Amino acid sequence: DSGVTQTPKHLITATGQRVTLRCSPRSGDLSVYWYQQSLDQGLQFLIQYYNGEERAKGNILERFSAQQFPDLHSELNLSSLELGDSALYFCASSVEGVVGQPQHFGDGTRLSIL
Amino acid sequence: QKEVEQDPGPLSVPEGAIVSLNCTYSNSAFQYFMWYRQYSRKGPELLMYTYSSGNKEDGRFTAQVDKSSKYISLFIRDSQPSDSATYLCAMSPMDTGRRALTFGSGTRLQVQP
Repeated sequence: DSGVTQTPKHLITATGQRVTLRCSPRSGDLSVYWYQQSLDQGLQFLIQYYNGEERAKGNILERFSAQQFPDLHSELNLSSLELGDSALYFCASSVEGVVGQPQHFGDGTRLSIL
Repeated sequence: QKEVEQDPGPLSVPEGAIVSLNCTYSNSAFQYFMWYRQYSRKGPELLMYTYSSGNKEDGRFTAQVDKSSKYISLFIRDSQPSDSATYLCAMSPMDTGRRALTFGSGTRLQVQP
């Protein structure tokens, strides 16, 4: 058990809809990273939050947004969903500012768009 | 061209074999290297991490980094059927505040009993 909790495990929805994915980081970790895993693109970085503030952005679509709350949990919001958004979404957490501290991943949310 | 290249496999070996998994990279900014194992329907599980050239050993696993050649390897000794999974290499810059990982595409490993 990595200590990173993601809910829900599986989401099924339709095109055009909006969903929210939730992540609780490991105790003491201030950084949350979101990644998308698809068959054709592999695991790709979307966005990082550190202690409530956005710190880095990757290949995140404008239809997607995230936030991190004072209790350090994070939510990834996906809107105007398209078939191509079907993927596994992972969050990872880590301690920042310390060399040698890796990221630990949750078990992901599987998003299926019908 | 991808920043991180990894042979997708699948790689099939008999139980007890030594397995060698490899990645090459092109971005010299990558200084921090990790290997993750991913079972079906689970998240990536950290196996090894290092930021030094050379070898790092942990039980049956050895991670090797050659920064001059931009090449990293993971060796698994005495492989077991439970090692059957997808192995992902990952790397990032050394910026202690922004360490988004760039992943290889993953190598599927099957260890036959």
